[in-house]
Amino acid sequence: IAGITQAPTSQILAAGRRMTLRCTQDMRHNAMYWYRQDLGLGLRLIHYSNTAGTTGKGEVPDGYSVSRANTDDFPLTLASAVPSQTSVYFCASSGSGTPTDTQYFGPGTRLTVL
Amino acid sequence: GQNIDQPTEMTATEGAIVQINCTYQTSGFNGLFWYQQHAGEAPTFLSYNVLDGLEEKGRFSSFLSRSKGYSYLLLKELQMKDSASYLCAAMDSNYQLIWGAGTKLIIKP
Repeated sequence: IAGITQAPTSQILAAGRRMTLRCTQDMRHNAMYWYRQDLGLGLRLIHYSNTAGTTGKGEVPDGYSVSRANTDDFPLTLASAVPSQTSVYFCASSGSGTPTDTQYFGPGTRLTVL
Repeated sequence: GQNIDQPTEMTATEGAIVQINCTYQTSGFNGLFWYQQHAGEAPTFLSYNVLDGLEEKGRFSSFLSRSKGYSYLLLKELQMKDSASYLCAAMDSNYQLIWGAGTKLIIKP
């Protein structure tokens, strides 16, 4: 693995189903982030984690949960998907602990909720 | 509230120069980032400015005026591969990025 990987690449999901989007980084970055990107809108932060064992809420956290059991993994769970959660989801990480560090993005997961 | 404004779309000619503007209003300020995003791909980092002035990096330069809440990205010697969206993001006092919707740059031969 080099960088950040996300899985699945894309998914079609029935409303009401539970779904976990996976994110793994091998850069030993402390901070990790989940964003959603919708047409005509900027990236919006869902949840973040400054270090393993801690998480925080971003701009649009409702309907999503995260965990950070270790440095490398930061899964995002939709407990009961709704059509408004149709979006492209990007995971990102940043490195040495300086808050202004560059964020590096994974390839994204395209999620459609019907 | 917090807000980032940038043009939705711009068109330029191969070999020319284009300037993409961005204005921001944030609660506190810890720097301005520019990212490039090709269609269907992840954003990739281009530049970071926290002090006023121009930062040059090859064909790309980024400028910041903190007093005006203004930045621009300057792309010189445009190539077809520069066709992409360019995302402006300002970091607020909580060190969270506030993102613009992006400027889609179309390069014509």
